[in-house]
Amino acid sequence: DVKVTQSSRYLVKRTGEKVFLECVQDMDHENMFWYRQDPGLGLRLIYFSYDVKMKEKGDIPEGYSVSREKKERFSLILESASTNQTSMYLCASSDRPQDTQYFGPGTRLTVL
Amino acid sequence: AQTVTQSQPEMSVQEAETVTLSCTYDTSESDYYLFWYKQPPSRQMILVIRQEAYKQQNATENRFSVNFQKAAKSFSLKISDSQLGDAAMYFCAYRNPVYMDSNYQLIWGAGTKLIIKP
Repeated sequence: DVKVTQSSRYLVKRTGEKVFLECVQDMDHENMFWYRQDPGLGLRLIYFSYDVKMKEKGDIPEGYSVSREKKERFSLILESASTNQTSMYLCASSDRPQDTQYFGPGTRLTVL
Repeated sequence: AQTVTQSQPEMSVQEAETVTLSCTYDTSESDYYLFWYKQPPSRQMILVIRQEAYKQQNATENRFSVNFQKAAKSFSLKISDSQLGDAAMYFCAYRNPVYMDSNYQLIWGAGTKLIIKP
């Protein structure tokens, strides 16, 4: 079974802090994704990566950056957390672009 | 731009009965992919069913089946013999054909919360 893990289930940070969210997948997938999930808005893509060190902006990249130094690991970085970044963050991976995306359990981030 | 609409924020069904969740989408493409994902409370999002637009046959996965109406751009999910474990948020998603570009993005609906009444 594909396993996608995220570093924390719940995280509380203060405004202005730098926040790191980590995602690891164990299936040697090429593609990895970071989504933000808010009620009534579904999932919105923040960034995705189709190879090591490669990244593409999604719909809402402002205020976020990403890092993919190793194939299995994809990090989301909030350079200076703000209250409007309070949300559920989901990581996913897939082998080919058209393939099923496998999701991690999510990180519920609260920025105070 | 492609859009996905789930018009039912919440649905409820009696255990063992059948329920249909609606999804419509907008695209000018003829070949694409459609998905239903399930997100149980406090648990991971998982794929329920997937449909390739070039396939006329509706996809089926055990108690889950879709009614894919390409001309109407409709992709509804039918759950038969509903069980308590089916309670979850259900998301419909669309993906462009692979040949279009390097954009691997799924376009998501807002979700439908399914409540199962015992």
